Amino acid sequence: QVQLVQSGAEVKKPGASVKVSCKASGYTFTAYYMHWVRQAPGQGLEWMGWIHPNSGGTNYPQKFQGRVTMTRDTSINTAYMELSRLRSDDTAVYYCARSLTVAGGDPFDYWGQGTLVTVSS
Amino acid sequence: SYELTQPPSVSVSPGQTARITCSGDKLGDKYACWYQQRPGQSPILVIYQDNKRPSGIPERFSGSNSGNTATLTISGTQATDEADYYCQAWDSYTGVFGTGTRVTVL
Repeated sequence: QVQLVQSGAEVKKPGASVKVSCKASGYTFTAYYMHWVRQAPGQGLEWMGWIHPNSGGTNYPQKFQGRVTMTRDTSINTAYMELSRLRSDDTAVYYCARSLTVAGGDPFDYWGQGTLVTVSS
Repeated sequence: SYELTQPPSVSVSPGQTARITCSGDKLGDKYACWYQQRPGQSPILVIYQDNKRPSGIPERFSGSNSGNTATLTISGTQATDEADYYCQAWDSYTGVFGTGTRVTVL
């Protein structure tokens, strides 16, 4: 069965960086895009970008360009999301989710359990 | 950037029909999907490609998409359907989520 298992909660100071991992199992890791989506406390879902594990290609929305880096290690079927220059409003639950394509009607069909990142001085 | 707008809340009595709208420019020219999120849980997919249900999703969930509006319909709403619902679409290889709707079963 498909599983996306994320790393544990993190507490960071403003200005620091955080790196969250997402280990995939139960499917061919390189065949699906991996996305990162975050949700601030009491707020909605916000898409942060994708990486295609096969090519390493990425796409980030303008809001996160220069601050987010998505990488992957195909030898251990794991995707990573690193966010730098953290601010208090980066406090959120961060999810990984997969999709078959990034166009047409392909949805995020499996999600990780979420990783709480708290930014506080 | 592309935006999807949903009503903040919808209330429904048990057994009745809940309809949640999602509005965006020419949304009907794209595919819409819908996610359910219960408190403290990860989102789960309930509708994709406008009106398809993933395996395991009850038949009471249905969807449509035309013009500028996609609609998620929950027929015979149950207490377990109380949750937040988000629409989502792709725009130029970018994922876009709706603003979210809280469904309350009174």
